[in-house]
Order: sequence, then C-alpha cells, then structure tokens
Amino acid sequence: GAVVSQHPSWVICKSGTSVKIECRSLDFQATTMFWYRQFPKQSLMLMATSNEGSKATYEQGVEKDKFLINHASLTLSTLTVTSAHPEDSSFYICSASRWGEAFFGQGTRLTVV
Amino acid sequence: GQQLNQSPQSMFIQEGEDVSMNCTSSSIFNTWLWYKQDPGEGPVLLIALYKAGELTSNGRLTAQFGITRKDSFLNISASIPSDVGIYFCAGRDNNAGNMLTFGGGTRLMVKP
Repeated sequence: GAVVSQHPSWVICKSGTSVKIECRSLDFQATTMFWYRQFPKQSLMLMATSNEGSKATYEQGVEKDKFLINHASLTLSTLTVTSAHPEDSSFYICSASRWGEAFFGQGTRLTVV
Repeated sequence: GQQLNQSPQSMFIQEGEDVSMNCTSSSIFNTWLWYKQDPGEGPVLLIALYKAGELTSNGRLTAQFGITRKDSFLNISASIPSDVGIYFCAGRDNNAGNMLTFGGGTRLMVKP
C-alpha cells in the first residue's frame, strides 16, 4: 500500500483563530489530494480537490475563503480553517491516490471552543 | 457530492456469523473500493476491484464488482469482535479523475 500521514490528529482552538492541517504522502508523489469532512455517524463529504501547483477545486457550498488549501509540493497539501467557529468542529480527513486506489490520512479532530 | 446507496446502514451480529453488505449506483464505475473505518481514524482500504465480474478475497473478506458495473458487495465470513467498525464502499469513474463517490456506510457491531 501507500502511506498518507495527517497532522495533527486532534486540535482544540479558540473561536476566531486559524488552524492548519497537514497531509503528506510519505512514500509516493501525489499531484492530487482530496479533503473530506465527516460528521458523526455520517459518510465522508468531499470538500475540495487539492491540485499541486494550482488552485484547489471546491465542492458546492464549501467556502474557499474559509477553508484555504495549499498544495505546494507533490507530497504535501495543507488545509487551513480560517477564523474558526464552533460549527467548524468536525473530523477532517485527507486522501491521496496511488495506482487508482485512494489512501487516507488518520484524520484530524477539530474542536473549536 | 453524489452518494452510493449502501445497505444495510447498520448490523448487529453474533461473533462467528457471516456478514454481507452491498452498494448500488445509478452510474457506472470503473473501480470499486471497500474501506473500513475505526472510530477516530481514517478509512483503511480493504479490497479494490477493477473489472466487472471480478471476485476478490482478502482473508475472511470477499468482494465482487457487479457485472453491470453499478453495484458491488462485500462479505465477511466468521466475524470476530475486531471486525467492528464502519464499512464504506466507494466508486471511481475514470472520467472524474481520482475522485471517489462514497456510500453512506454500514456500521457493524459484533457481539462476542
């Protein structure tokens, strides 16, 4: 398989602050990574597609100014939740594809207080 | 985005029993993937299917890619307590790059 590492695994932040989540493909290069959000007892909801060297593609209803994505290298994509509010509290997961199979990071539990 | 229809939504079974879950779609997919997610973790790939009609096993797990390319099933034989978790199917359309469409998940609970 392939390894995708996500950091941090959990974070608690104050309302109004920004939080950055990193997603790294450790043993392969990924021109495309995906960011998902998951609510309790629900499936994964695609937020955006992160493209190396170009702008991310956001799904309908996802605020691009709120969820900033940067894919500066072939092994790293970052998601920054800006001016976080309690309603942004959720489980965020990234994935990268290799050989047509998607591999996921461990997820990040964000709690905004 | 669009979701696949995955059923059942949840199952509560006795240890040792076999389990079956399936996904259906109105669209054709080129690849079907099955994942397991433990609480607080990201999904882990269990089985990948690439050809219509393909039947693939991974230990006690068996999955098939439907002939119509619009469905897939996952069977777990002789379930054990560590099988507990949420199982997701995912379909990939080659015309959509590497983007996956996910099922709603099947929550499996196993009673020892």
